Amino acid sequence: EAQVTQNPRYLITVTGKKLTVTCSQNMNHEYMSWYRQDPGLGLRQIYYSMNVEVTDKGDVPEGYKVSRKEKRNFPLILESPSPNQTSLYFCASSLSVQGGNQPQHFGDGTRLSIL
Amino acid sequence: QQQVKQSPQSLIVQKGGISIINCAYENTAFDYFPWYQQFPGKGPALLIAIRPDVSEKKEGRFTISFNKSAKQFSLHIMDSQPGDSATYFCAASFGNQFYFGTGTSLTVIP
Repeated sequence: EAQVTQNPRYLITVTGKKLTVTCSQNMNHEYMSWYRQDPGLGLRQIYYSMNVEVTDKGDVPEGYKVSRKEKRNFPLILESPSPNQTSLYFCASSLSVQGGNQPQHFGDGTRLSIL
Repeated sequence: QQQVKQSPQSLIVQKGGISIINCAYENTAFDYFPWYQQFPGKGPALLIAIRPDVSEKKEGRFTISFNKSAKQFSLHIMDSQPGDSATYFCAASFGNQFYFGTGTSLTVIP
């Protein structure tokens, strides 16, 4: 089954404790992206990747890091999480490097709570 | 600054009625306008999308109307069903960057 898998689905942690949210897709997609969803703000793009070793900032990259060492994986790293990063996070992928013109397939989300 | 403005925030429609959600944008560089549907506990899923060289696109009960000069686009759901109850997001993109609206929570009453 074609899918985007995120782990963990839920995480409660404390300020300053480094964490990684993993994202993996099995569709051989070139483009991958991370979003955060907050009430009243919709989804906002954090980072995206057009291919292995190629990443770029989205609209709200502050406080986040990403890496793309393999085509299928695109982890989101919070080096020193803060309470304002409490949110629902989504990973997405699409077939083409021109991700903006292709349908994106989303994971089911990771709910992060940072105390 | 919200790149894509969406309204209304919530919408209640009777079964069989028409649901209309509106979005507006400012950046004329946007060249792809998708709509996503999201159910609770799930990620958004592409519903329908349009490019700016087309004024209307229809897929089943779902239609996008696009007004390039007004920089507005809307989603029309005909014969709305209770199963359509979900949150709907419009979006706009250029290059590899995506901008989403704030979402509309649609409730279809049986």
